[in-house]
Amino acid sequence: GAGVSQSPSNKVTEKGKDVELRCDPISGHTALYWYRQSLGQGLEFLIYFQGNSAPDKSGLPSDRFSAERTGGSVSTLTIQRTQQEDSAVYLCASNVGVNQPQHFGDGTRLSIL
Amino acid sequence: AQSVTQLDSHVSVSEGTPVLLRCNYSSSYSPSLFWYVQHPNKGLQLLLKYTSAATLVKGINGFEAEFKKSETSFHLTKPSAHMSDAAEYFCVVSRTGGSYIPTFGRGTSLIVHP
Repeated sequence: GAGVSQSPSNKVTEKGKDVELRCDPISGHTALYWYRQSLGQGLEFLIYFQGNSAPDKSGLPSDRFSAERTGGSVSTLTIQRTQQEDSAVYLCASNVGVNQPQHFGDGTRLSIL
Repeated sequence: AQSVTQLDSHVSVSEGTPVLLRCNYSSSYSPSLFWYVQHPNKGLQLLLKYTSAATLVKGINGFEAEFKKSETSFHLTKPSAHMSDAAEYFCVVSRTGGSYIPTFGRGTSLIVHP
């Protein structure tokens, strides 16, 4: 069956440009998470969406980062005025509810030149 | 509050020998615990989960983990390592009935020698 889909799989951009990363969760999954994984590091939580509730943005590292989730399905993570330290793999996950296993996409590898 | 500590950043074993990846957790509430595996350039895949049922949890690919409340541990084991087990492993804790944001350990890299 269809899993979590992320696009693009790779993105190379110049410092200062804006980027948009897309996540298409599993149909019916009400919860959606964004994480950042830097080289050789664990997962850093960024933002969480649950149904129609206000998202938990507590993990966003700066105001250059934002995310939205339209119609309770597809989500877009936007990074404005990218910096070299933004280079990382951005992972998206979804699940059916609290404390249920998360299903992960394969991530978007972002490289800032 | 909750936290998780993976005690080894790297574990190296020979093919066919047992695997032990150690995880200690801290949680003010009854925890849900998970192990995930991440192969290179892939997302995380669930190996197994503990949610207050049996303390010995069996997962995919021959892995299992035992929840020990007295030791606040949830170590991952496998009797015989295979080359395909080489990957990064993450222990995760979340609060049953509470916080929606799971806490991830920093990961353990499993290296399997032929």
